[in-house]
Amino acid sequence: QVQLQESGPGLVTPSQTLSLTCAVSGGSMEYYYWTWVRQPAGTGLEWIGHVYSSGSTQYSPSLKSRLTMSIDTSENQFSLKLSFVTAADTAVYYCARARYFGELSGLYFDHWGLGKLVTVSS
Amino acid sequence: EIVLTQSPATLSLSPGARATLSCRASQSVSSYLAWYQQKPGQAPRLLIYDAVNRATGIPGRFSGSGSGTDFTLTISSLEPEDFAVYYCQQSTAWQFTFGPGTIVDIK
Repeated sequence: QVQLQESGPGLVTPSQTLSLTCAVSGGSMEYYYWTWVRQPAGTGLEWIGHVYSSGSTQYSPSLKSRLTMSIDTSENQFSLKLSFVTAADTAVYYCARARYFGELSGLYFDHWGLGKLVTVSS
Repeated sequence: EIVLTQSPATLSLSPGARATLSCRASQSVSSYLAWYQQKPGQAPRLLIYDAVNRATGIPGRFSGSGSGTDFTLTISSLEPEDFAVYYCQQSTAWQFTFGPGTIVDIK
């Protein structure tokens, strides 16, 4: 059973860089899209972006200028860096695995980490 | 950006009742739509993908229908563990958006 676990600081100072890592266990990272989704308190879900096992990335247009994602399949982990954070970036950050279920399928998130609360505050 | 709207915002039902949740897209997403369940303090769980397919381990009381811009998640008979928030999510053109959610709570 695939498991994902987020790690990183829970408190980030405004204008600094938020850095999170997701450790993947119980399965291969090959041929999947490794994704970050966030959820501000009491609100809905926002897709941040993903990194494919090859290292290619897709980012949310609204966050693209501040985002860097990377993957290390030899260490079974992938990472998120979000620069110049503000209070609006305070949220629970989830890492997730996204996959296609067939040739004519969309891309969906079938395994999720438990989530990491990141607060942006001085 | 494709915007998803969900209705109703809250659905208050009794255990054993049938729940019908709606998701509408601002433009066609074909069948590229999923449903997720989220309970307090937990990550979302994939229920339905490609509008009609149940994910692994999802009970048969959950079913999805629709295509284009209008989609429905039906829970045929609510179990106590089904009271949660439900989100739809579309998957088109490398951009992924979620609906605002429907809360299914106990009447």
